[in-house]
Amino acid sequence: DAGVIQSPRHEVTEMGQEVTLRCKPISGHNSLFWYRQTMMRGLELLIYFNNNVPIDDSGMPEDRFSAKMPNASFSTLKIQPSEPRDSAVYFCASSVLGGPRGTQHFGDGTRLSIL
Amino acid sequence: DQQVKQNSPSLSVQEGRISILNCDYTNSMFDYFLWYKKYPAEGPTFLISISSIKDKNEDGRFTVFLNKSAKHLSLHIVPSQPGDSAVYFCAASAGSGANNLFFGTGTRLTVIP
Repeated sequence: DAGVIQSPRHEVTEMGQEVTLRCKPISGHNSLFWYRQTMMRGLELLIYFNNNVPIDDSGMPEDRFSAKMPNASFSTLKIQPSEPRDSAVYFCASSVLGGPRGTQHFGDGTRLSIL
Repeated sequence: DQQVKQNSPSLSVQEGRISILNCDYTNSMFDYFLWYKKYPAEGPTFLISISSIKDKNEDGRFTVFLNKSAKHLSLHIVPSQPGDSAVYFCAASAGSGANNLFFGTGTRLTVIP
């Protein structure tokens, strides 16, 4: 069975450019999470959706960050304009509402480098 | 502010010995705790969990201990194997209706053959 699919795996771009990260959750999963991993802060939750509706976006660092989930099988995380401090690994995870508590399935991440 | 803390960035252990990874939390509303394991270039995967109504949960070589009064939990791996070398993240959740997690910064475990 396909797991959570993230694209691209790596992204290198210059500061000021728009960056779009993509995620396809596991089919049948109805919760989706976006995380950012850094050495200093570990895994930070940026935003999560239940049934395609954003529930908590308090982790989104600035207005430069936005996330959408237009349907149950696709989500995007956009950074515009990007800055060097946005460089990190971004993970998407999905789970089943009411399923085993706390058990989230992660994609392999997008390593983002802003020059 | 970090509500889940893993103060040891790294740990090295000889194969066959016990590995003990520690985690502290500050939010008294946390009532469910998990450990995730992460290999390089992969996403974290769920390893083991514990509810606040218990103080110990065991799954094969992995045991998680919870000390609520100290707001501390630990993961014991016995015996440690080279394949256990990975980054281990502690995570916590508050309330059965919540499905979001608060993660620590991770501890890199190296098991030396």
